[in-house]
Amino acid sequence: AQKVTQAQTEISVVEKEDVTLDCVYETRDTTYYLFWYKQPPSGELVFLIRRNSFDEQNEISGRYSWNFQKSTSSFNFTITASQVVDSAVYFCALRSRTGANNLFFGTGTRLTVIP
Amino acid sequence: DVKVTQSSRYLVKRTGEKVFLECVQDMDHENMFWYRQDPGLGLRLIYFSYDVKMKEKGDIPEGYSVSREKKERFSLILESASTNQTSMYLCASSLAGEGSYNEQFFGPGTRLTVL
Repeated sequence: AQKVTQAQTEISVVEKEDVTLDCVYETRDTTYYLFWYKQPPSGELVFLIRRNSFDEQNEISGRYSWNFQKSTSSFNFTITASQVVDSAVYFCALRSRTGANNLFFGTGTRLTVIP
Repeated sequence: DVKVTQSSRYLVKRTGEKVFLECVQDMDHENMFWYRQDPGLGLRLIYFSYDVKMKEKGDIPEGYSVSREKKERFSLILESASTNQTSMYLCASSLAGEGSYNEQFFGPGTRLTVL
């Protein structure tokens, strides 16, 4: 069974603070894919990053960075020097290699950046 | 840019009405998906389609049906709307491929209220 847990329901930070959003996943597959999406107030989910299970390299894209650790089944997302525009709901998702093409989503973390 | 559009942003219907939610994508994607999003539950898959006239049930198909007569269009049908179907409905599309790495692209969502 596939499962994604985002234990942080809501987080508030003051602008320019760093913030880490946690994601823990469960799967029995050896090949799988992990994703992060952002949902701003407009409602449309925006793809941020994907990772396959064989690529444990961390990635940095501007103020965003991702830490993938298979040993702890985690795929955490850090925003450095947060900005008001980062306020959104962030979803972590998992897809296995076999079976359906659908994504299993976590319940999301609502991030509020206070000016 | 991939564009996924949904016919309505907001919809209000009465209990027992038949409701059609339309989704169109313009990137020739094989896969299309319907999710519903509820607070505290994240996104849950209702149905998906991997080809014209092909469909597969997701995690919560009860009370819904779908139609895919053309590759670019995927419709979600509520045969007899009920108040527990009040939710945000999100359509997505992606390229195909077994074990595909391809991310899903989402529409802006339809917020349906059933009175």
